Amino acid sequence: EVQLVESGGGLVQPGGSLRLSCAASGFTFSSYSMNWVRQAPGKGLEWVSYISSSSSTIYYADSVKGRFTISRDNAKNSLYLQMNSLRAEDTAVYYCARDSQSAAGPFDYWGQGTLVTVSS
Amino acid sequence: AIRMTQSPSSFSASTGDRVTITCRASQGISSYLAWYQQKPGKAPKLLIYAASTLQSGVPSRFSGSGSGTDFTLTISCLQSEDFATYYCQQYYSYPRGFTFGPGTKVDIK
Repeated sequence: EVQLVESGGGLVQPGGSLRLSCAASGFTFSSYSMNWVRQAPGKGLEWVSYISSSSSTIYYADSVKGRFTISRDNAKNSLYLQMNSLRAEDTAVYYCARDSQSAAGPFDYWGQGTLVTVSS
Repeated sequence: AIRMTQSPSSFSASTGDRVTITCRASQGISSYLAWYQQKPGKAPKLLIYAASTLQSGVPSRFSGSGSGTDFTLTISCLQSEDFATYYCQQYYSYPRGFTFGPGTKVDIK
């Protein structure tokens, strides 16, 4: 069974940093591109970042470019999101999501999410 | 950047109803469109990709159509478990970016 479990969320002050993790199991993690998607309280979904299976290709949404860094460790079946210079508008539930097995682009498995709250 | 809109933003329906949700892209995206269902406090669930291909395990009462800029998600016979928020997503820009629509909330009449 495919499982994605996020961790690392919490309360952080504006300007602070946080590192999110996503532990993957039930599939060959090293074969799949991965993504982070966030959802502000009561709002819609916003794609944050993409990383290819080998980490050779990485993209970010403009809203986080220069502040967030996506990475992965295929030996540990883990995905990460290093978030620096956090702002109040970064407050959201952060989901890790796997690229679809059937087509490049849609996300076929999601974690349960981890809440990041940026507030003083 | 490609922008996605959905209509309506919300509506009420009854079990057994046939419902249609519309998604529009600001530019042509061929068939690079997915639909997701999200229930409160839960992660989104992939329903349809490539505009009309049903994800494995998704009931056949869900269907999708469209290409270019205009797309629809149809639920042929609404069930109680279908009351949720539905999002469209374009992946024409893959992997440089993905855009979700603002969502359509379907609640009980």
